[in-house]
Amino acid sequence: EVRLVESGGGLVKPGGSLRLSCAASGFAFSNAWMSWVRQAPGKGLEWVGRIKHKAAGGTTDYEAPVKGRFTISRDDSKNTLYLQMNSLKTEDTAVYFCGREYYGVIDYWGQGTLVTVSS
Amino acid sequence: DIVMTQTPLSSPVTLGQPASISCRSSQSLVHSDGNTYLSWLQQRPGQPPRLLIYKISNRFSGVPDRFSGSGAGTVFTLKISRVEAEDVGVYYCMQATQGLTFGGGTKVEIK
Repeated sequence: EVRLVESGGGLVKPGGSLRLSCAASGFAFSNAWMSWVRQAPGKGLEWVGRIKHKAAGGTTDYEAPVKGRFTISRDDSKNTLYLQMNSLKTEDTAVYFCGREYYGVIDYWGQGTLVTVSS
Repeated sequence: DIVMTQTPLSSPVTLGQPASISCRSSQSLVHSDGNTYLSWLQQRPGQPPRLLIYKISNRFSGVPDRFSGSGAGTVFTLKISRVEAEDVGVYYCMQATQGLTFGGGTKVEIK
């Protein structure tokens, strides 16, 4: 069974940093592209970015609002995906989901972790 | 960036009746590899999104056959043949042909 479990959310002040984790199980994590998607309270889904598997270069892509502030990384030995968030703004307040991206589809999603940016 | 536009914003439906959601993209979603990476997701209240349909019309594992997808190019449709109470939630289209973007969502509720 594919399982994705996010952790690391919480309350942080504007300008602060936070690192989210996504623990994966039930599939070959090292062979998977992984994405982060966020959802602000009462709003729709917004793609944050992705990291490809090492065979595809392990490269990352980011959406404009987070580019230069957020970094996606992975540790295939721990089956874990990370999202390092720096210079946080109030508009980054959202539930952050990780998802497995498989041939142009996010087929499995975690339950999400809430990040609140507020003074 | 490809913009995805969904209509309607809200769809009140009687139990047992059909529902239809439209999704339009700002440019063709046909990838250079010949595939069209358009999928549909369901998000029930308080839950994470769940994949229903991928590559326009393919039902994901465990998805009831009352859900179907169709379309081509820039115009796509999700249909629920007979709405059940468990279908209440917000439905999103998503494209992954160029980057990854979501439609704004359509709320399906029971009349």
